[in-house]
Amino acid sequence: GAGVSQSPSNKVTEKGKDVELRCDPISGHTALYWYRQSLGQGLEFLIYFQGNSAPDKSGLPSDRFSAERTGGSVSTLTIQRTQQEDSAVYLCASSQGFGGAEKLFFGSGTQLSVL
Amino acid sequence: SQQGEEDPQALSIQEGENATMNCSYKTSINNLQWYRQNSGRGLVHLILIRSNEREKHSGRLRVTLDTSKKSSSLLITASRAADTASYFCAVGTSYGKLTFGQGTILTVHP
Repeated sequence: GAGVSQSPSNKVTEKGKDVELRCDPISGHTALYWYRQSLGQGLEFLIYFQGNSAPDKSGLPSDRFSAERTGGSVSTLTIQRTQQEDSAVYLCASSQGFGGAEKLFFGSGTQLSVL
Repeated sequence: SQQGEEDPQALSIQEGENATMNCSYKTSINNLQWYRQNSGRGLVHLILIRSNEREKHSGRLRVTLDTSKKSSSLLITASRAADTASYFCAVGTSYGKLTFGQGTILTVHP
C-alpha cells in the first residue's frame, strides 16, 4: 500500500475483553514498531520487529500484551483482559532498512477505549 | 533512559516569529529525529540528523546536534499558523530502538 495502514481506527471494548489491533506496514519495510500514546502524552515504546530477528519486547507493560509479525509483514498487537488504563491511541510505524537508523512512517493509529 | 526530553513543554508565538525547541538525551545515539503530530494521531517525519553531523537544514527547519552536551535543537523560522502542532524528538540507537520524548506543543497565532 501507499502508507502504513492500521485497523480498526477506533475500538470500544468492555473491561476484561481481549482486543486485536492490526498494522499493515509499507511493502518492503523490514522494521516495524508499536507505540502507545495516552492523551496529551508522548509516545511510549512497546515493541520493535526487525526482519527475522527476535523482537525487542522491552516496552510491553505487562504479560497481557503481546504482538506478532507474520511473514515479515502484517503485525497484530493483542491485549488480553483489557483494563481501563489500556485506553490510549496505539500507533504503528515502519521503516526501510535498519530501524533506528532510518525515518519512520506512521499509521493513523487505533483509538482504544476500555469502558 | 535514552528517551529524549523536550523543552519547553509548550510554546506560544506570533506568526512570523521563530520557534526553537530543545531535546536532551542520556546515552550514545546513532541518530536523532524530529517528528510533527497534528490532532493526536499519526506522526510525520521532519528531519533526521546522524551522530556525526552537527547541523541540517530542510526548508524553514534547522536542526543542530551537540553530542558532547547530548542535546539537539529544532528551529522553525518565519513560523506560520499552519505550523501549530506537537513536535517530538526521537533518539535512535545502534541496535534499532527508537524512543520518543514527551513533545513540545507549539501554537502559532495568526
